[in-house]
Amino acid sequence: KAGVTQTPRYLIKTRGQQVTLSCSPISGHRSVSWYQQTPGQGLQFLFEYFSETQRNKGNFPGRFSGRQFSNSRSEMNVSTLELGDSALYLCASSRGQGGPYEQYFGPGTRLTVT
Amino acid sequence: GEDVEQSLFLSVREGDSSVINCTYTDSSSTYLYWYKQEPGAGLQLLTYIFSNMDMKQDQRLTVLLNKKDKHLSLRIADTQTGDSAIYFCAERPLSGGYNKLIFGAGTRLAVHP
Repeated sequence: KAGVTQTPRYLIKTRGQQVTLSCSPISGHRSVSWYQQTPGQGLQFLFEYFSETQRNKGNFPGRFSGRQFSNSRSEMNVSTLELGDSALYLCASSRGQGGPYEQYFGPGTRLTVT
Repeated sequence: GEDVEQSLFLSVREGDSSVINCTYTDSSSTYLYWYKQEPGAGLQLLTYIFSNMDMKQDQRLTVLLNKKDKHLSLRIADTQTGDSAIYFCAERPLSGGYNKLIFGAGTRLAVHP
C-alpha cells in the first residue's frame, strides 16, 4: 500500500507570494492533518480535515488555509508569504477520527521563502 | 494545559540499550506516540500506547507508561547506528475527538561505535 505523498517536495518562493501544497493520504484514510516544523518552534499543528470539513485548527494566522476534497486529498495554502513561513510542512493521514487510529506522515514539503 | 517535554540529546554506544524519556501534562485519556525522524525525512511512526496501558513491546522497542507521573519512555534494545535519528514523543488528547498531536521538541539520539 502506498504511503502518504506530498507534492512538491521542495519549493522556493519570495515574500508576498502565495503557495499551495498538496497531500494525498493513504488509500482508505479519511482524515488529514497538517503540521509546520521549524528549528525554533518544533512541530506545530496547523489544521485537521475529515470528510471535507475542517475539524480543528491550530494557532496560525488566517494566511494559512486548507481544504479537503471528496477523495480525501488535501491542500494547504499560504498567502502573502513571510520569511518566517520557511519550514518543513508535513501532512499526516489517519483512517478515522478520535479513535485508536495510527497517524502516518508524508515526507514533507520544504518551503523556503526568500 | 497541553505540553510535552523531552530531553534534547542522548548518546549511546552501539549494542547498548537506549532510553528516551518524555513527560506530558494532559490529564484526559490520551494516546501517546513515538515517531522517528531521520535527516531530510518525514516522521516514521514507531509505536503508540493508550493511557490505560502500562507497557507495550514491539521487537526491539519497549514503551513504558507511568500514568501517575505522566511519564513515558521508549527503550531501544541493542541500539544500532541506523537508530541514530531524532525521536519525538507526541500526545493525542481524546477530548474533542480530534486527531491533533502535541509534540515534544525531540530527542536526538547519537549512536557511536
